[in-house]
Amino acid sequence: GESVGLHLPTLSVQEGDNSIINCAYSNSASDYFIWYKQESGKGPQFIIDIRSNMDKRQGQRVTVLLNKTVKHLSLQIAATQPGDSAVYFCAEAGSNYKLTFGKGTLLTVNP
Amino acid sequence: NAGVMQNPRHLVRRRGQEARLRCSPMKGHSHVYWYRQLPEEGLKFMVYLQKENIIDESGMPKERFSAEFPKEGPSILRIQQVVRGDSAAYFCASSPRGETEAFFGQGTRLTVV
Repeated sequence: GESVGLHLPTLSVQEGDNSIINCAYSNSASDYFIWYKQESGKGPQFIIDIRSNMDKRQGQRVTVLLNKTVKHLSLQIAATQPGDSAVYFCAEAGSNYKLTFGKGTLLTVNP
Repeated sequence: NAGVMQNPRHLVRRRGQEARLRCSPMKGHSHVYWYRQLPEEGLKFMVYLQKENIIDESGMPKERFSAEFPKEGPSILRIQQVVRGDSAAYFCASSPRGETEAFFGQGTRLTVV
């Protein structure tokens, strides 16, 4: 079965708002997690990653939070823009960097 | 540096035909992964290859599917005697080594009619 899953299948926000996308994982032994963005008709695009020895990592307008106690991962996007509209996947990297993906959250940004 | 190149982008096959999907990794990358994505679902791992070797094929169906990554040329995912359930997007990702970020191609969308 799936070891990574998402709480919300869709998220709709207003342009300029902050977005939070959540993800739960089940393999407590996982030590590396990645967020991907997938636009329609395209391949997944790396956004940000985090290792299990960290609980927070920041990029440009994005922050990933990792709560190992409850096996929860979140992606925060600041000042969401229309270009952020896409499906977002969390993924868990196992041995040999084999990725296990969740089902995805569709983010829609309204102008 | 060109990204991961997959071709064809779209492929239509009749039931029973063979599908051959190609993936050229990024320059300098010797590790290739294949994933399958059904509509509105996440990607599912199929196979992991290095040059001339299959490292992990735990996600590959036991029949009709095969993959190779020869010393020269692209990686090939081959599906024999396709059925409608094989209709999906197939993505290839490459990395310079198996412990670093992998970059994805744009995928091949296979439709079986």
